[in-house]
Amino acid sequence: EVQLVQSGAEVKKPGESLKISCKGSGFSFTSSYWIAWVRQMPGKGLEWMGIIYPGDSDTRYSPSFQGQVTISADKSFNTAYLQWSSLKASDTAMYYCARRSGYYYTSGYRWGGLDYWGQGTLVTVSS
Amino acid sequence: DIQMTQSPSSLSASVGDRVTITCRASQGIRDDLDWYQQKPGKAPKRLIYAAVALQSGVPSRFSGSGSGTEFTLTISSLQPEDFASYYCLQHNSFPWTFGQGTKVAIK
Repeated sequence: EVQLVQSGAEVKKPGESLKISCKGSGFSFTSSYWIAWVRQMPGKGLEWMGIIYPGDSDTRYSPSFQGQVTISADKSFNTAYLQWSSLKASDTAMYYCARRSGYYYTSGYRWGGLDYWGQGTLVTVSS
Repeated sequence: DIQMTQSPSSLSASVGDRVTITCRASQGIRDDLDWYQQKPGKAPKRLIYAAVALQSGVPSRFSGSGSGTEFTLTISSLQPEDFASYYCLQHNSFPWTFGQGTKVAIK
């Protein structure tokens, strides 16, 4: 069974650093999957932050998050990470990881969207 | 960047109603679009991938259509468990973008 299990809720102060994790099971990070991160601020919609291909660490960011967070992965632990070096109050949100996979169709194989999601990690930043 | 315009932002409907939600892309994205359902306090769940393909385990009352720039999610007969928020996601090119979401409420 494919699962993505995220680390627990965090309460931090502005200026502190943080690294949250997303551990996959039931599939291998060395296979053809990407792991994405999605933010959801309180009462708001979903925002795509970025994505990493653990096989070669190819990482893409949304311009809105480039330079604000770092996405990484350790394929030997089947785990992806999202980290901040200096948190702000505006980083308070739920953060989801999700797996990107592909699918076969008549002419071959194509990359798709996000098929499995983690349960979310709530990050609260408050002085 | 590709912008996704989703409408309506909210709607009220009754059990048994047919519901349609639309996403419009600012440029052509082939069929690189998924639809997700999110219930309060839960992670999103994929309903439709590749614009028209039903995710395994999802009831057949959900369907997707469209290609290029115009996409539709239809719920043929709304059930009590369908009251939730719905989002489209384009994954044609980075950065990916979600629609703003549609909240489906009980009339």
